[in-house]
Amino acid sequence: AQSVTQLDSHVSVSEGTPVLLRCNYSSSYSPSLFWYVQHPNKGLQLLLKYTSAATLVKGINGFEAEFKKSETSFHLTKPSAHMSDAAEYFCVVSDAGGYNKLIFGAGTRLAVHP
Amino acid sequence: GAVVSQHPSWVICKSGTSVKIECRSLDFQATTMFWYRQFPKQSLMLMATSNEGSKATYEQGVEKDKFLINHASLTLSTLTVTSAHPEDSSFYICSVQLALYEQYFGPGTRLTVT
Repeated sequence: AQSVTQLDSHVSVSEGTPVLLRCNYSSSYSPSLFWYVQHPNKGLQLLLKYTSAATLVKGINGFEAEFKKSETSFHLTKPSAHMSDAAEYFCVVSDAGGYNKLIFGAGTRLAVHP
Repeated sequence: GAVVSQHPSWVICKSGTSVKIECRSLDFQATTMFWYRQFPKQSLMLMATSNEGSKATYEQGVEKDKFLINHASLTLSTLTVTSAHPEDSSFYICSVQLALYEQYFGPGTRLTVT
């Protein structure tokens, strides 16, 4: 069965410093992987997705993620955090069942302080 | 992407009553919509897949007689929580599928059952 593990429930960084949100996945096939962000009182927004093309994926707002099959990881990074990046981030894997279902990780809350 | 709305954004109901939540795809005709449930500070759990013109497909452990889903048109899916109880209090989120594994999410509906 497919699953994702987000290794940190909370991450705190200073504004202007790099962001690293870690995600490991488990899948018996080549998965599609996503990062979504959830701001308070707003819908989830797709940051980026990996679907078996380039392993380094660039997303919106300066985020990027690298698919590493050997490490079964899909970590999310950003060179310089902004206050507006404070939110909940979800790593998501596609389900192998063929019904277009997504499986969400537990989430990582990113705090950005001045 | 797709713009998805939900109504109401917040609803309070008394125990034993039913409440209907609407999910609308404003700029895309959606054959498939999904309904998720999110408990406070937790991840999203898929409840059911809503298919236009046919019966919804429920995930294991989700009571289909309690959570009635109707996808009567390509732009509207509804979730009715019947005989609601305090344990049904949660954040309910819908999504629209644009392409394989590509979903766009509504802002969510907070249900509080007293």
